[in-house]
Amino acid sequence: AQKVTQAQTEISVVEKEDVTLDCVYETRDTTYYLFWYKQPPSGELVFLIRRNSFDEQNEISGRYSWNFQKSTSSFNFTITASQVVDSAVYFCALSEGVNSGYSTLTFGKGTMLLVSP
Amino acid sequence: GAVVSQHPSWVICKSGTSVKIECRSLDFQATTMFWYRQFPKQSLMLMATSNEGSKATYEQGVEKDKFLINHASLTLSTLTVTSAHPEDSSFYICSAPGGSRVEETQYFGPGTRLLVL
Repeated sequence: AQKVTQAQTEISVVEKEDVTLDCVYETRDTTYYLFWYKQPPSGELVFLIRRNSFDEQNEISGRYSWNFQKSTSSFNFTITASQVVDSAVYFCALSEGVNSGYSTLTFGKGTMLLVSP
Repeated sequence: GAVVSQHPSWVICKSGTSVKIECRSLDFQATTMFWYRQFPKQSLMLMATSNEGSKATYEQGVEKDKFLINHASLTLSTLTVTSAHPEDSSFYICSAPGGSRVEETQYFGPGTRLLVL
């Protein structure tokens, strides 16, 4: 069975600080996909990034960057120069069953990020 | 990204009544949709996979007769909570893959908040 662990339940930072959200996963699949979603107070999940298991390149998108390390089964997410609008719950998720012709997501418990002015 | 809508966005009902929640893919077709439930300050838990033209697949522990799913067309899936009770109060979210491949990114609807009195 697969599992996603987000050990940080809640993080508080002051605006302009950098913050890293950790994600560690477990899976027996050789082909899998990792995702990060943002859930602001409104509740709607916003897709941030998708990474497949064969692509370990780090990715940067504006103030966001992701570090995928297969050796440690981690897919960490860093926000540089955080802003108040970054305050939300962030979920890491892992897809399952791709090789079997279906795909479901397993979510971590989420990390609540609070950025104060 | 693909757009998924849900209706209603919130509903309050009396115990014992049934509530129908609609999930629509607005600018793409979805043969598969997913229904999740999220309790306050918790993660998303997959309830069922909705399949167009066939029966839904329910996760372990989810009552099929309690949560009726109908995937009537390539753009609409409905979740009916039958004989709702206060413990069914939750945030219900649907998602749909943004393409035909099984590993496609899932795009989420804005969610429906259900309160059963």
